Amino acid sequence: NAGVMQNPRHLVRRRGQEARLRCSPMKGHSHVYWYRQLPEEGLKFMVYLQKENIIDESGMPKERFSAEFPKEGPSILRIQQVVRGDSAAYFCASSPWSENTGELFFGEGSRLTVL
Amino acid sequence: EDQVTQSPEALRLQEGESSSLNCSYTVSGLRGLFWYRQDPGKGPEFLFTLYSAGEEKEKERLKATLTKKESFLHITAPKPEDSATYLCAADLNYGGSQGNLIFGKGTKLSVKP
Repeated sequence: NAGVMQNPRHLVRRRGQEARLRCSPMKGHSHVYWYRQLPEEGLKFMVYLQKENIIDESGMPKERFSAEFPKEGPSILRIQQVVRGDSAAYFCASSPWSENTGELFFGEGSRLTVL
Repeated sequence: EDQVTQSPEALRLQEGESSSLNCSYTVSGLRGLFWYRQDPGKGPEFLFTLYSAGEEKEKERLKATLTKKESFLHITAPKPEDSATYLCAADLNYGGSQGNLIFGKGTKLSVKP
């Protein structure tokens, strides 16, 4: 049973470009979460999605960031017009439950570097 | 402001030297307290969930405990393979969605042979 798959693992973008990060949840998991880990900071919640629905985007920056989890295919976190402050590790996690047990299955992360 | 604070930031132990990591939380209504382990370049790996004060969970050399203000992760006779960053996270009952956890910055544990 493959774990949560994220790609790319490393991404380099210049300021003003777009970054697209993809996440395939574990088989059978219908809940997807995105977290960001800035250097020397803890993980910060960004967004929680179910298929075709954004459930909680309270942690998403108001501008330039968007997320989707289509009926078919991976979840995508999109960052438009990247700035240096977007450089971070972006982690996707999934869970199969509708009740929160706190047990999230994390991918290995996508590390974005903005030049 | 709801916060999760972990101490110490880093801990160096000799193999076999037991110790404890601390996670203190100032959250208005705790639904659950969670411990994760994170290895360099990897995503966090779930360890424990604690729901109420007095609760304890064990797994191999690790034991997690919870009080009304803090949680401890006790490591008994650690081995080098226990070296990792240990993360504590809180889930609030203010109405936030599941999976919206507040993480501490972690304690980086190094165990020397």
